[in-house]
Amino acid sequence: AQSVTQLGSHVSVSEGALVLLRCNYSSSVPPYLFWYVQYPNQGLQLLLKYTSAATLVKGINGFEAEFKKSETSFHLTKPSAHMSDAAEYFCAVLTSGSRLTFGEGTQLTVNP
Amino acid sequence: DSGVTQTPKHLITATGQRVTLRCSPRSGDLSVYWYQQSLDQGLQFLIQYYNGEERAKGNILERFSAQQFPDLHSELNLSSLELGDSALYFCASSVYGAVRGEQFFGPGTRLTVL
Repeated sequence: AQSVTQLGSHVSVSEGALVLLRCNYSSSVPPYLFWYVQYPNQGLQLLLKYTSAATLVKGINGFEAEFKKSETSFHLTKPSAHMSDAAEYFCAVLTSGSRLTFGEGTQLTVNP
Repeated sequence: DSGVTQTPKHLITATGQRVTLRCSPRSGDLSVYWYQQSLDQGLQFLIQYYNGEERAKGNILERFSAQQFPDLHSELNLSSLELGDSALYFCASSVYGAVRGEQFFGPGTRLTVL
């Protein structure tokens, strides 16, 4: 079964520092992978998606992710954190049919 | 704003009761998905409908049921509620088969069972 694992339930960075949120996937077939963000008391918003077109995927708000088959990873990065990036981030994989299977989530804190 | 609407925003009820959560998908989207987000289970897929037909089932309890109506809105019915059913319930919609997998989420309904 396809699944994703997010390493680190909490990540804390300083404003202006690099953001790195880790996601590893398990899949026997080429996966469709996604990163979603959830701001407090809001729904999930799609940041970016990998659908095998390009290994480096650029998303909204300056985020990007790189698909690395050799490492079965799809880590999310942003060069410079803003206070407004504080939120919970979910990695997800498209599984049987068109359901999304989510990771456990990573809470990002940005310190001034 | 994703274009997906959910009502009500908050729902507080007692154990043993029955509630209905409503979702209106984005204009043109034929697929509707329901997800449950709880502290102990995380985000879990419950069920998917496509153009009125059930397409996929996930970890949905027998006490829960859903349907999608001809106007494409969907309702999730939760009955014989237990404390453990307290969670955030999300609806998502997508254009099935196009930009595969991209689902747009509503703001959720927070259910509290007392």
